[in-house]
Amino acid sequence: SYDLTQPPSVSVSPGQTASIACSGDDLGRKYASWYQQKPGQSPVVVMYQNSKRPSGIPERFSGSNSGNTATLTISGTQAMDEADYYCQAWDSSIPIFGGGTKVTVL
Amino acid sequence: QVQLVQSGAEVKKPGASVKVSCKASGYTFSSFDIHWVRQAAGQGLEWMGWMNPNSGNPAYAKKFQGRVTMTRNTSIGTAYMELSSLRYDDTAVYYCARDYYDLGRRHSDYWGQGTLVTVSS
Repeated sequence: SYDLTQPPSVSVSPGQTASIACSGDDLGRKYASWYQQKPGQSPVVVMYQNSKRPSGIPERFSGSNSGNTATLTISGTQAMDEADYYCQAWDSSIPIFGGGTKVTVL
Repeated sequence: QVQLVQSGAEVKKPGASVKVSCKASGYTFSSFDIHWVRQAAGQGLEWMGWMNPNSGNPAYAKKFQGRVTMTRNTSIGTAYMELSSLRYDDTAVYYCARDYYDLGRRHSDYWGQGTLVTVSS
């Protein structure tokens, strides 16, 4: 089965850049999506097709995908960005989620 | 605007079944597949399966095959997920999500508010 691996946690100071990695075998040949989930809320897509931002998602969110790693980057991180982030990709017609990364804004 | 509104919280005994609904509005229901994803407390997202509302054809994650049934009623724009033979570890929030498809690339662009299913004796 195909696995996506994320670090359990990332800490960042307000105004700094947070990078969240998602690793999977030849992930760069697939399309990655990223979902933000705040406590008690449903997931919200913040990035799709590797680097496309849905309307309403701030420009400080960006994405890339190459080789075995997709990366979600939050530039100028704000307190409101504190949340769990999940990457997702499709393999053999099945959507796979990463284990999630808790982003803490210290 | 697109909305997916799910049914309310459920408490079930082990061995029972639960059926969760997901009512779609703001778009043509039959034009977008619906995923079901669950999340146990403090855990990650787990994909259960999806269904094509137009054809009614479902596809289930191997883990849930034999226990899950996904259906729909196109006349009222509602998708359903029924999970049988409930166990304590089925206690989770269950989400429906709309699948956005673009030339072979997919993501879930809208999510329901979630339905808490508690399995307790």
